[in-house]
Amino acid sequence: QKEVEQNSGPLSVPEGAIASLNCTYSDRGSQSFFWYRQYSGKSPELIMFIYSNGDKEDGRFTAQLNKASQYVSLLIRDSQPSDSATYLCAVREETSGSRLTFGEGTQLTVNP
Amino acid sequence: DGGITQSPKYLFRKEGQNVTLSCEQNLNHDAMYWYRQDPGQGLRLIYYSQIVNDFQKGDIAEGYSVSREKKESFPLTVTSAQKNPTAFYLCASSISTMEAFFGQGTRLTVV
Repeated sequence: QKEVEQNSGPLSVPEGAIASLNCTYSDRGSQSFFWYRQYSGKSPELIMFIYSNGDKEDGRFTAQLNKASQYVSLLIRDSQPSDSATYLCAVREETSGSRLTFGEGTQLTVNP
Repeated sequence: DGGITQSPKYLFRKEGQNVTLSCEQNLNHDAMYWYRQDPGQGLRLIYYSQIVNDFQKGDIAEGYSVSREKKESFPLTVTSAQKNPTAFYLCASSISTMEAFFGQGTRLTVV
């Protein structure tokens, strides 16, 4: 079992729709969770981080965390073509010396 | 300007040759990381370091070596033992358990 798993893509949504990206993790001791966006050929950039159970909103982005279910998600409201990218979930695994582990990524395409 | 600088941006390696990728940060971050990314794949952890003079192996450390003699620097050497080194290499740094910031990456190709 992979430490961090993301829903398989690619994901395609129409402009203006809600895109939902999901991630599960195996280390129950994990406390810090991150979503990164990566455009083709570029390095990842941080979109959101979340440490506590519940929802965290930042503009069109909402991160959701459920530690009991070991699940973290990212919702993108009013999706724009510029949101088309690969989204990477990252988990800081406290039982492994705070290593930062990434999922495989989900490729999102927003169609005009 | 504060940030993470990776060099070179592109690197070509001949068969059997060792090459070193540079990563420097002026963010005063304690932790530094090296990841490898293959086309269409996620990031795989090679090595990480939480403190100067200490580092841990990640998931794919074989064929790679690192050093952490200074807080600002975390160079990665790709040795001849790494049989398939062609990939995009990313260096990152963070303050302890906070978010990590990435350099611009080095694209390594075997010729």
